[in-house]
Amino acid sequence: SQQGEEDPQALSIQEGENATMNCSYKTSINNLQWYRQNSGRGLVHLILIRSNEREKHSGRLRVTLDTSKKSSSLLITASRAADTASYFCATWGGGSYIPTFGRGTSLIVHP
Amino acid sequence: GAVVSQHPSWVICKSGTSVKIECRSLDFQATTMFWYRQFPKQSLMLMATSNEGSKATYEQGVEKDKFLINHASLTLSTLTVTSAHPEDSSFYICSARSGRQETQYFGPGTRLLVL
Repeated sequence: SQQGEEDPQALSIQEGENATMNCSYKTSINNLQWYRQNSGRGLVHLILIRSNEREKHSGRLRVTLDTSKKSSSLLITASRAADTASYFCATWGGGSYIPTFGRGTSLIVHP
Repeated sequence: GAVVSQHPSWVICKSGTSVKIECRSLDFQATTMFWYRQFPKQSLMLMATSNEGSKATYEQGVEKDKFLINHASLTLSTLTVTSAHPEDSSFYICSARSGRQETQYFGPGTRLLVL
């Protein structure tokens, strides 16, 4: 199975600022997905980017994928206190239909 | 759409008892369900994958006799923690997927505390 590794592990910003978190993985993928987890809750699917895509947008979220560097980034623009959560990337591919998750980035947005 | 529920959300039990956690897909048929375990401030650890009507596939290091998984219908999977011990205390999360769909939908999780 594959595993994404998020960086940084923790990020603390002020409301209104942009938050960028990165994900690196090791082998070829079919797609990469980002999830959000609020404290003590399940995961919410945010966005899926396929291996043949370089950038994708959804509202205030922007995801990039660089398959040559085996990395992805998630940018949250104009952050809000409600964006405070842990963010995980999950990779899918290499013949496996079971995505595996990295350790996540813990984002705190101060009001 | 694509809602997954878990029950119970919280359970406290005595050491030695068994606990059953239910995972239901409310508005779609979940051909595959996944069970994860998560410790505080850590990632999700996949415990097992279950396909409807088949035996679950357990990840290495997960005791199948300890964590019994049943996926008898397309909308329900259960995880039974048998003879629970304090070290089994954790946050258990299920997710569900339909067919070869790339997105899986997560339940809200069940927090288990074994005293």
